[in-house]
Amino acid sequence: KAGVTQTPRYLIKTRGQQVTLSCSPISGHRSVSWYQQTPGQGLQFLFEYFSETQRNKGNFPGRFSGRQFSNSRSEMNVSTLELGDSALYLCASSVRDNEQYFGPGTRLTVT
Amino acid sequence: GESVGLHLPTLSVQEGDNSIINCAYSNSASDYFIWYKQESGKGPQFIIDIRSNMDKRQGQRVTVLLNKTVKHLSLQIAATQPGDSAVYFCAERSGGSYIPTFGRGTSLIVHP
Repeated sequence: KAGVTQTPRYLIKTRGQQVTLSCSPISGHRSVSWYQQTPGQGLQFLFEYFSETQRNKGNFPGRFSGRQFSNSRSEMNVSTLELGDSALYLCASSVRDNEQYFGPGTRLTVT
Repeated sequence: GESVGLHLPTLSVQEGDNSIINCAYSNSASDYFIWYKQESGKGPQFIIDIRSNMDKRQGQRVTVLLNKTVKHLSLQIAATQPGDSAVYFCAERSGGSYIPTFGRGTSLIVHP
């Protein structure tokens, strides 16, 4: 069974631009969560989608948004990028609420 | 590979030794705990979990111990192997909340 895939793996953007990251969950997994990982803050929860609905949301500004499609694939968008948005963005999928399977992440660098 | 953190606590062990990685949590309402392993260039990988109604749970070469009195969690890895070298995170959830809180991580280095 294929794991969680994320595209692109690496991305360089300029301050003020926007970016869209994509996540394809494991087949049959309907829950997709997004996390931001930085050296300073560690792993932080962004939001979770289930059946195309945002079910949970972490403490991030409105510049961070996401959506989920009917095939469970998910995208997250960050608008008006700031230098502090440079991070590894991780997506995780699950079929139950407990065990999550993470993708390899997208490394975003904002210059 | 991806750098998952700077200035992480580091545990260095020899191959074949047992490793113990510790995690302190702050929320006394936390009732579900998970250990993850993150290798360079990869996302976190689920290792083992434990609910607050248990003190100990064993997996393959790993054991998680939970001490709710002092809000402490530990991961024991038996016969540590070079492939165990990674950053290990604990995570906690409380009261039915889906949102996990992750610890800062510990870097485990296994010397052959």
